[in-house]
Amino acid sequence: AQSVAQPEDQVNVAEGNPLTVKCTYSVSGNPYLFWYVQYPNRGLQFLLKYITGDNLVKGSYGFEAEFNKSQTSFHLKKPSALVSDSALYFCAVRGGFTGGGNKLTFGTGTQLKVEL
Amino acid sequence: SAVISQKPSRDICQRGTSLTIQCQVDSQVTMMFWYRQQPGQSLTLIATANQGSEATYESGFVIDKFPISRPNLTFSTLTVSNMSPEDSSIYLCSVEDLRGVVTGELFFGEGSRLTVL
Repeated sequence: AQSVAQPEDQVNVAEGNPLTVKCTYSVSGNPYLFWYVQYPNRGLQFLLKYITGDNLVKGSYGFEAEFNKSQTSFHLKKPSALVSDSALYFCAVRGGFTGGGNKLTFGTGTQLKVEL
Repeated sequence: SAVISQKPSRDICQRGTSLTIQCQVDSQVTMMFWYRQQPGQSLTLIATANQGSEATYESGFVIDKFPISRPNLTFSTLTVSNMSPEDSSIYLCSVEDLRGVVTGELFFGEGSRLTVL
């Protein structure tokens, strides 16, 4: 069975500082990894994904994530945090890429709080 | 404009009643997925809805409690039946392919926040 772990319930960062939101995964075969963000009272918005290719993936709003196969990690990063980045972040994994085939499994979420 | 629209966006319901949530997509999609997000928790897949066949339910979810319809390639409904306070959650509709393109990620509606008293 596939799974995702987000070890931090909350991450606090000062505006302008770099941020990291951690994610590790377990899946059979090649992983397909995703980050989503959820603002209060809103649905989930897709940030970025790793399917294949470069281990460093760049996404929306200046976010990036690094796929590390040996450590089975896919940490989300941003060089300089903004107060507007404060939201709930979900890491997700699926074990295949067939249309409608494999399920997307989500982590428990990490609340990011960026303060002035 | 919204690509995936859900109605209602929120509702307060009485115990024992049922509520139907609608999901409308502005393009034809193969599969539609219904997720539940309980307060302070992650997303859990309820079922996968295919047009022209019965929905496929995940472990722990049954058709009697969460009947799903998928009458065409742009629309689906999820009913939460005989509600109890434990059903208070955000229910999210999602799709995999938009305008016929599958890119791996899911796209989500804004969610329907149900509170059961």
